[in-house]
Amino acid sequence: DVKVTQSSRYLVKRTGEKVFLECVQDMDHENMFWYRQDPGLGLRLIYFSYDVKMKEKGDIPEGYSVSREKKERFSLILESASTNQTSMYLCASSRTGVRQETQYFGPGTRLLVL
Amino acid sequence: AQSVAQPEDQVNVAEGNPLTVKCTYSVSGNPYLFWYVQYPNRGLQFLLKYITGDNLVKGSYGFEAEFNKSQTSFHLKKPSALVSDSALYFCAVRDSNYQLIWGAGTKLIIKP
Repeated sequence: DVKVTQSSRYLVKRTGEKVFLECVQDMDHENMFWYRQDPGLGLRLIYFSYDVKMKEKGDIPEGYSVSREKKERFSLILESASTNQTSMYLCASSRTGVRQETQYFGPGTRLLVL
Repeated sequence: AQSVAQPEDQVNVAEGNPLTVKCTYSVSGNPYLFWYVQYPNRGLQFLLKYITGDNLVKGSYGFEAEFNKSQTSFHLKKPSALVSDSALYFCAVRDSNYQLIWGAGTKLIIKP
């Protein structure tokens, strides 16, 4: 079974703090994704990576950055947290190739910025 | 524009009755369609997908989905609902950039 883990289930941070969210997958997947989930908006893609040290902006990258130094690990960074970044953050991974678009998700990190 | 619509915010079904969660899509080319489920305070779990072939796709937990090209729909179904099916359900379609476009989600409530 694919396992995707996220470093924290719940986080409380203050406005202006730098926040790190870590994601690790154990299935040697090439692709990794960061989404945020907000009620009524579904999932919105923040960043994704298709290889080590590669990153691509998703639909809502503003205020976020990412790092992928190792294949299994994909980090999301909030450089200066703001209250509008309070959300559920979901990490996912998938394998590259035709018919391999199935994404596997971690349990999520619920972030509250005060 | 490429998009996914889940027209119902919430669906209420009595236990034992059949259930349907609706999804329609708009995408260029052949659609790759997915259903995921999210239980409370959990990540998303893959249920099933349609890529090609038979229009009726069977997935996990007794769920199935019917692909209808003429109606651009991919509705999720189950013949007999369980209380444990209560969750948030998401439909998604792969876009021309090979990324997933997600619906807003439908909350399914199964009443005993």
